Amino acid sequence: GENVEQHPSTLSVQEGDSAVIKCTYSDSASNYFPWYKQELGKGPQLIIDIRSNVGEKKDQRIAVTLNKTAKHFSLHITETQPEDSAVYFCAARGAAGNKLTFGGGTRVLVKP
Amino acid sequence: EPEVTQTPSHQVTQMGQEVILRCVPISNHLYFYWYRQILGQKVEFLVSFYNNEISEKSEIFDDQFSVERPDGSNFTLKIRSTKLEDSAMYFCASGEVEQYFGPGTRLTVT
Repeated sequence: GENVEQHPSTLSVQEGDSAVIKCTYSDSASNYFPWYKQELGKGPQLIIDIRSNVGEKKDQRIAVTLNKTAKHFSLHITETQPEDSAVYFCAARGAAGNKLTFGGGTRVLVKP
Repeated sequence: EPEVTQTPSHQVTQMGQEVILRCVPISNHLYFYWYRQILGQKVEFLVSFYNNEISEKSEIFDDQFSVERPDGSNFTLKIRSTKLEDSAMYFCASGEVEQYFGPGTRLTVT
């Protein structure tokens, strides 16, 4: 089945700097890649997603890139702010069904 | 903004007891899911539900688990005879492609 690996597991950045989180997936048939942000005591919140027919998508300070050949995708957060501090999860959906396979998460700390 | 809700937020139960975790998905969604997250581990898929039946389930979702949509709004996960290793956060989600998660139920089995 699908396997998603996520790096780094923790990331500390200075406010205003950029943060990049990378994920790799194993199933070349996967076609949908969401990113979730989880704050303490809350459920995962969908923040951006990308489908396999697109290479890049941007929404204000966050962007996601997808390299299907290499089977990896990345989340980029620019001009980080303290409220960006959270755990971020990547996920992949295979070609059959809607099941999401998650990466292990990245704890991001934005230092003021 | 519509959201997925879950009750209770925290459930403590003794090993061998039955628990029912409840979810109210977003009202116009037709696909529903349960995921769980054991402390320190990845979020894991348990089951998906569409058109009043299970559409996919993982190896974790064995005979002690069941799901039900008892009415037009609720979606439940039942664990028949809880084990210590069932202790985890259980998340309900809804949506066909974009999946929206609830806040979770922390299940503690003692």
